[in-house]
Amino acid sequence: RKEVEQDPGPFNVPEGATVAFNCTYSNSASQSFFWYRQDCRKEPKLLMSVYSSGNEDGRFTAQLNRASQYISLLIRDSKLSDSATYLCVVIHNNAGNMLTFGGGTRLMVKP
Amino acid sequence: DVKVTQSSRYLVKRTGEKVFLECVQDMDHENMFWYRQDPGLGLRLIYFSYDVKMKEKGDIPEGYSVSREKKERFSLILESASTNQTSMYLCASSPGGTNEKLLFGSGTQLSVL
Repeated sequence: RKEVEQDPGPFNVPEGATVAFNCTYSNSASQSFFWYRQDCRKEPKLLMSVYSSGNEDGRFTAQLNRASQYISLLIRDSKLSDSATYLCVVIHNNAGNMLTFGGGTRLMVKP
Repeated sequence: DVKVTQSSRYLVKRTGEKVFLECVQDMDHENMFWYRQDPGLGLRLIYFSYDVKMKEKGDIPEGYSVSREKKERFSLILESASTNQTSMYLCASSPGGTNEKLLFGSGTQLSVL
């Protein structure tokens, strides 16, 4: 079983739709969580951190569920420019604070 | 504008060649990393370094080595390239004390024929 698992998609949604991605992690000692965004043929870039209390940044909301060991990303009012691959990233102490990346979920927003 | 620069965007090499991938960052970051990214496998850590002349193996170090002679530069070396090393290679850096906010270079797509 992979340490960090994501549905690869693609998720095809119309502009203006709300879309949500989940990411599950296997190590209960994981303590830091992030979403990165990667555009086609580009490098990953940090989108947002995920806090225990949940956090929001404009149209983007990230949630953490420690009991079920998953994090989520909700995108409201999707824009064409949101089309990208979204990478779930987890850090756990017993891996020397190394980041573990999920395989990514591809989102395609259509007009 | 702060950045991580990788020397080549595309590279084509032959099996058995020695390959050098260079990475330079201008942010005075302590930590530097080399990943490879393959479809269906995500990003996998090859090697990392927390300081000059220091290196640590990541998850998939076999067939690779690294060099960090200066703080700003972290080189990945393929001693004898093989076709299964065809991949996208991504260099990243982060400030000392945290790996949370990695800043990536634009990547090198290496093809080994």
